[in-house]
Amino acid sequence: GNSVTQMEGPVTLSEEAFLTINCTYTATGYPSLFWYVQYPGEGLQLLLKATKADDKGSNKGFEATYRKETTSFHLEKGSVQVSDSAVYFCALRPSQAGTALIFGKGTTLSVSS
Amino acid sequence: EPEVTQTPSHQVTQMGQEVILRCVPISNHLYFYWYRQILGQKVEFLVSFYNNEISEKSEIFDDQFSVERPDGSNFTLKIRSTKLEDSAMYFCASSVGTANTGELFFGEGSRLTVL
Repeated sequence: GNSVTQMEGPVTLSEEAFLTINCTYTATGYPSLFWYVQYPGEGLQLLLKATKADDKGSNKGFEATYRKETTSFHLEKGSVQVSDSAVYFCALRPSQAGTALIFGKGTTLSVSS
Repeated sequence: EPEVTQTPSHQVTQMGQEVILRCVPISNHLYFYWYRQILGQKVEFLVSFYNNEISEKSEIFDDQFSVERPDGSNFTLKIRSTKLEDSAMYFCASSVGTANTGELFFGEGSRLTVL
């Protein structure tokens, strides 16, 4: 079946450090891939997405590349800020008909100054 | 900026009681969803709703659950007889189109605690 696996958190970094949050998926066909972020006290927000292999999604300094050969969609940022502290969710949308997003467990990122 | 709003933010209830969680989706959106996250586990899809009927539901969404759009603005999730394992954060979401092409906009969540 379809599933998403994210690295376990929490991830604790100092400001300006490099961030990688790993995400791998299992899916048939060609799913769309997403990263959502949840800041404290807020709802889930779409951070970036990629809809086909080798696409790179980017937003707010974050990037993720859709790698079909490794079934991965790792989230990266070159220099994190305290304001990036949040929970990050990797998700996929199966290529089959239907509307459900399938989420990972989420990874908590804590950035200190 | 338009947003999805959910009430209550936190509800505590006794096992066996009925609970209604309310959501106001973004006004021009056509698709509505409920997801839940049990503490420490994945965000799980419950149900999607379009054109006043359920378009998709998961195995979790059994006869104890129901959804309704009673007045053209609210979108509610009802749990008829709560169980301890229903304790979770429940997220409402809406989108203009289907999730494959349209971004889902999520509310802040309603935390349900069943004692």
